[in-house]
Amino acid sequence: ETGVTQTPRHLVMGMTNKKSLKCEQHLGHNAMYWYKQSAKKPLELMFVYSLEERVENNSVPSRFSPECPNSSHLFLHLHTLQPEDSALYLCASSQGTRNTEAFFGQGTRLTVV
Amino acid sequence: GIQVEQSPPDLILQEGANSTLRCNFSDSVNNLQWFHQNPWGQLINLFYIPSGTKQNGRLSATTVATERYSLLYISSSQTTDSGVYFCAVRGAAGNKLTFGGGTRVLVKP
Repeated sequence: ETGVTQTPRHLVMGMTNKKSLKCEQHLGHNAMYWYKQSAKKPLELMFVYSLEERVENNSVPSRFSPECPNSSHLFLHLHTLQPEDSALYLCASSQGTRNTEAFFGQGTRLTVV
Repeated sequence: GIQVEQSPPDLILQEGANSTLRCNFSDSVNNLQWFHQNPWGQLINLFYIPSGTKQNGRLSATTVATERYSLLYISSSQTTDSGVYFCAVRGAAGNKLTFGGGTRVLVKP
């Protein structure tokens, strides 16, 4: 199994839909992250979870709702999204949140129509 | 927050050429990573290098933390080296990796 796995790889959703992105890590890490990559913008941190507690929320709109039920799984629940939310969503994990290497999943390419 | 700048933004190489990518950062860091983003979007770890020099095949990297920069060297480039290269740093007090804008590399056969 690859280290960090994201599903689905591609998602098209309407503005009134509710969907969820899933991330699973098999590296025994205790911190997980959501990043957003929009066209022509640097990767932006959305959320950080350490030991299953949210330790950082980078001013993300409430239409994005993260959930971390255990140290191996991270979800991003989506509702009432806007077309400008179309982007590549990347999940990452690391052991701790300081002097440590982070590993990324393959990403979910989201299109909001 | 910490600022990360990468240069050049775009680089076109002939296969077999060597190149140097630069990453400047604005504050002390305790973590620096280089990634290669493939055409499908995945970030591939190249180096975890908060200081010093490392080599992996045709790639090597050097971070001079006291002068707040890191360099990624690509030697004998191949078409498979094409893609976007990102530098990301974690500040001394931070929980997150902050990314630079990337260098888009195109290696022509």
